[in-house]
Amino acid sequence: EIVLTQSPGTLSLSPGERATLSCRASQSVSGSYLAWYQQKPGQAPRLLIYGASSRAAGISDRFSGSGSGTDFTLTISRLEPEDFAVYYCQQYGSSPFTFGPGTKVDIK
Amino acid sequence: QVQLVESGGGVVQSGRSLTLSCAASGFTFSTYGMHWVRQAPGKGLEWVAVISHDGSDIFYVDSVRGRFTISRDNSKNTLYLQVSSLRAEDTAVYLCAKALTYGAHVRDAFDIWGQGTMVTVSS
Repeated sequence: EIVLTQSPGTLSLSPGERATLSCRASQSVSGSYLAWYQQKPGQAPRLLIYGASSRAAGISDRFSGSGSGTDFTLTISRLEPEDFAVYYCQQYGSSPFTFGPGTKVDIK
Repeated sequence: QVQLVESGGGVVQSGRSLTLSCAASGFTFSTYGMHWVRQAPGKGLEWVAVISHDGSDIFYVDSVRGRFTISRDNSKNTLYLQVSSLRAEDTAVYLCAKALTYGAHVRDAFDIWGQGTMVTVSS
């Protein structure tokens, strides 16, 4: 099983700032099958990034993904008020398709 | 519009069974892989199971294998999860999710999610 570790656990930033979220895998993620999701309280997760760097339909270009192998990054270039949420990475290269524990981005 | 609606959750005693359903609409259900994911109260996401578009490929997380069964009825546009031998640690919101890509291998991101159905296991 591939274990995903996300850091930091919580990121306290102000609107307009840049957010950099890390996701590290215990072994290489095949095919860069790595996704990022955003979840707000009481809502279902929303797909942001798939294939490590491809933006999902309708997702702002403020969101970008990068990385390969075992190290991946989600960057939010300029935080908007609606971006404060929990972000999960997930690998879907090999079963079980594990999620990371999440990074909470909250308002400083 | 594309929509997934889960149902079938409730309060159930430890050791008992339940069948969860996920009704799909707004897309050609029979051509997409489908997943179940769960989220315990206040916790993160845990992937549970996947079934390919035609039911030929099925995978489970170890903690539910042998107790949970994923299935689908493409004629009814519905995904199912039979959960049995329930334990306290199975208490969670169960969400169904659609694979991103038409006819893809089960290895795919999830682009559409339902709102979930709550399963509470009581002792």
